[in-house]
Amino acid sequence: DQQVKQNSPSLSVQEGRISILNCDYTNSMFDYFLWYKKYPAEGPTFLISISSIKDKNEDGRFTVFLNKSAKHLSLHIVPSQPGDSAVYFCAHRWASDKLIFGTGTRLQVFP
Amino acid sequence: GAGVSQSPRYKVAKRGQDVALRCDPISGHVSLFWYQQALGQGPEFLTYFQNEAQLDKSGLPSDRFFAERPEGSVSTLKIQRTQQEDSAVYLCASSPLTSGGADTQYFGPGTRLTVL
Repeated sequence: DQQVKQNSPSLSVQEGRISILNCDYTNSMFDYFLWYKKYPAEGPTFLISISSIKDKNEDGRFTVFLNKSAKHLSLHIVPSQPGDSAVYFCAHRWASDKLIFGTGTRLQVFP
Repeated sequence: GAGVSQSPRYKVAKRGQDVALRCDPISGHVSLFWYQQALGQGPEFLTYFQNEAQLDKSGLPSDRFFAERPEGSVSTLKIQRTQQEDSAVYLCASSPLTSGGADTQYFGPGTRLTVL
């Protein structure tokens, strides 16, 4: 049973507009959700996280929203830039620190 | 400073061969993780070390997979008698703190294993 789901495999957004990436989860037990960004032939790079006691965390152009009643979180990127084109993974973490990843969403930002 | 490094970056093995994948974590990082990423999927947890102790190996898919970190720094993931389903990218990650902190995991570039 997949605990973290990213139902949109891809997203295409124009430069300067908002990108919204979504993630749903089934397990209510977690400490943190994290977003990672991955370029081809590189390992995932940490982007932003949110703890279970918050509903919003912001870092520059990136904001993550957590809706615990809906078991849903989203990552907003505004304004989107061509360098943001990558695969984005959400992951949740609890207990032994291991991360449980979603399947990823490929974001393409076009001029 | 130097990030997590992995070697080799690419490995082609014939079915039945043994392979060894190396991970050099960031210096001083206590925790070390191995993940397997199949094509089109997210990384899946394999095993976790805190210093030299292997605290969780629940993700290892079979007894053909073995990991060690004897001196609490460099780690090796060994796969015996490789099968085609072992073809994947193997990612190593390290983090500075033990469980309970808000620390993130820093990933290496991965080793792409192809089993023919």
